Amino acid sequence: SQTIHQWPATLVQPVGSPLSLECTVEGTSNPNLYWYRQAAGRGLQLLFYSVGIGQISSEVPQNLSASRPQDRQFILSSKKLLLSDSGFYLCAWSQGAGANVLTFGAGSRLTVL
Amino acid sequence: GQNIDQPTEMTATEGAIVQINCTYQTSGFNGLFWYQQHAGEAPTFLSYNVLDGLEEKGRFSSFLSRSKGYSYLLLKELQMKDSASYLCAVRSATDSWGKLQFGAGTQVVVTP
Repeated sequence: SQTIHQWPATLVQPVGSPLSLECTVEGTSNPNLYWYRQAAGRGLQLLFYSVGIGQISSEVPQNLSASRPQDRQFILSSKKLLLSDSGFYLCAWSQGAGANVLTFGAGSRLTVL
Repeated sequence: GQNIDQPTEMTATEGAIVQINCTYQTSGFNGLFWYQQHAGEAPTFLSYNVLDGLEEKGRFSSFLSRSKGYSYLLLKELQMKDSASYLCAVRSATDSWGKLQFGAGTQVVVTP
């Protein structure tokens, strides 16, 4: 069966510090991978998606970047965090397009102080 | 793009029924999903509709009308553990990569 791992679960970072969130998927190959952010009391906002190694699409301009160095690894990064980067970050995967279900990791709660 | 609207909050009594409505506007439609999200946790998949009609899965049912841009999630025999946020999400027909656009979620509060 497929599983998705995301870490760290919680982190508190000062403004201007770097960020790296990691996500890996097991039990499948060539998944579509996604990074979503959920601000407090808000819906899920799609940040990045990837359909293959080295292929990254950004949905909104922002202070973050994403990379996919391996087939089942997706990384969210920032060189200098802003207060507005605080939120709940969720990695997700799906297999192919169409009806396939989006499955989420457990999430990473980031607080920027 | 897509506009997805759902009520912010609903309150119901344990054992009762609650219906959560979702309306959407999209340039092309390729499926509607409902997710459940407990506080501080990741969303989990509940149901998927791509054709008009009702999909039933235990205590939960989901309905879709594509011509009206409308869906609802019906929760029967409410239990305390059903207190959560319920997210409506739409997949566009013009999107070949399976991205979902989510509504802001409906917080359901189940009272004893």
